[in-house]
Amino acid sequence: EAGVTQFPSHSVIEKGQTVTLRCDPISGHDNLYWYRRVMGKEIKFLLHFVKESKQDESGMPNNRFLAERTGGTYSTLKVQPAELEDSGVYFCASRLYGQGGYTFGSGTRLTVV
Amino acid sequence: EDQVTQSPEALRLQEGESSSLNCSYTVSGLRGLFWYRQDPGKGPEFLFTLYSAGEEKEKERLKATLTKKESFLHITAPKPEDSATYLCAVRHFGNEKLTFGTGTRLTIIP
Repeated sequence: EAGVTQFPSHSVIEKGQTVTLRCDPISGHDNLYWYRRVMGKEIKFLLHFVKESKQDESGMPNNRFLAERTGGTYSTLKVQPAELEDSGVYFCASRLYGQGGYTFGSGTRLTVV
Repeated sequence: EDQVTQSPEALRLQEGESSSLNCSYTVSGLRGLFWYRQDPGKGPEFLFTLYSAGEEKEKERLKATLTKKESFLHITAPKPEDSATYLCAVRHFGNEKLTFGTGTRLTIIP
């Protein structure tokens, strides 16, 4: 079984530019989550999809962040325009309804310069 | 608001030297306490979920325990390949999100 796949693995962009991160969850997992770790801090929740619907977006920092999940399959997280404080590692996780464990991807390291 | 505190921040052990990592938590209605292992450049790798006080789970040299206020990850006779950052997270009832601690960076010296 393929795991959670994220790409790109690294992205370096200039302040003010746009970046789109992609996450492919484990096939059949209806729950998809985005998390972020900024340097020196703990991993923090951003939002949760159930299939194509946003269930909880309470962790999204501001309206420069836009997440979508097309047809309940893969998800994208767009940052527009990027600011320096958006730098960090963005993780995606997925979970099958009724199962306990959350499976994480390897993350996308975003650096805004 | 859920809170998770892990200690120590870093721990260096000799190979074979057993020890424990601590995770103290505050949560309104614990739905699950999770332990993850994270290697550099990788995402968190799921180890255990504990649901109620008194529960214990084991996997190879690792054993996780849970009380109403904290969880311990016991490492017995560790090997260098056990070196990693160990993360603790909690989830409360009615919510899907995990609240993480900052982790314990474990180094096992051969």
